[in-house]
Amino acid sequence: KAGVTQTPRYLIKTRGQQVTLSCSPISGHRSVSWYQQTPGQGLQFLFEYFSETQRNKGNFPGRFSGRQFSNSRSEMNVSTLELGDSALYLCASTEFPQETQYFGPGTRLLVL
Amino acid sequence: KQEVTQIPAALSVPEGENLVLNCSFTDSAIYNLQWFRQDPGKGLTSLLLIQSSQREQTSGRLNASLDKSSGRSTLYIAASQPGDSATYLCAGSYSSASKIIFGSGTRLSIRP
Repeated sequence: KAGVTQTPRYLIKTRGQQVTLSCSPISGHRSVSWYQQTPGQGLQFLFEYFSETQRNKGNFPGRFSGRQFSNSRSEMNVSTLELGDSALYLCASTEFPQETQYFGPGTRLLVL
Repeated sequence: KQEVTQIPAALSVPEGENLVLNCSFTDSAIYNLQWFRQDPGKGLTSLLLIQSSQREQTSGRLNASLDKSSGRSTLYIAASQPGDSATYLCAGSYSSASKIIFGSGTRLSIRP
């Protein structure tokens, strides 16, 4: 099976812009979770989608949003970008019932 | 507050040594605990997942244990190799909904 794919891999934006990141889970996985990784805060959970519904949400402002499509692909959107949004954004798909998470390579976002 | 802690933050050992990485968590009502490996600039690779009803899991030279009563997990690496150099993260899940809390990681360096 192909692994989790994320596009784009690298992105440079300026403050105030918005960005959309995409994640395609492993075939057959219906759960997609998003994480932000920064040197200062480490890995932090953003949200999780299962069968097109947001099932869990972390402590991030409303500028961070997501959605999931019927084919389980997920997108994450960040509006009004701030310098502090510069990070590696990782998505993971979950295999049930074991609940093992498989991570994609990440999208590295730089906000200037 | 549910927290996962990893000590030490960095560890350097000579090749061939057996070593133990430590992880502690504040809430014993853990659903499962997963160990990951992250290479620089890359995504996460799942190494082992221990369900709350299990005490340990093994894969090759890796063995992970879980002690819920003491709030601890360990990752044992036998006969370490330079290729084992990476950051190792443990992560605890407190629900079945794929929201997991990560430790800050231990950066492991194996000296040839």
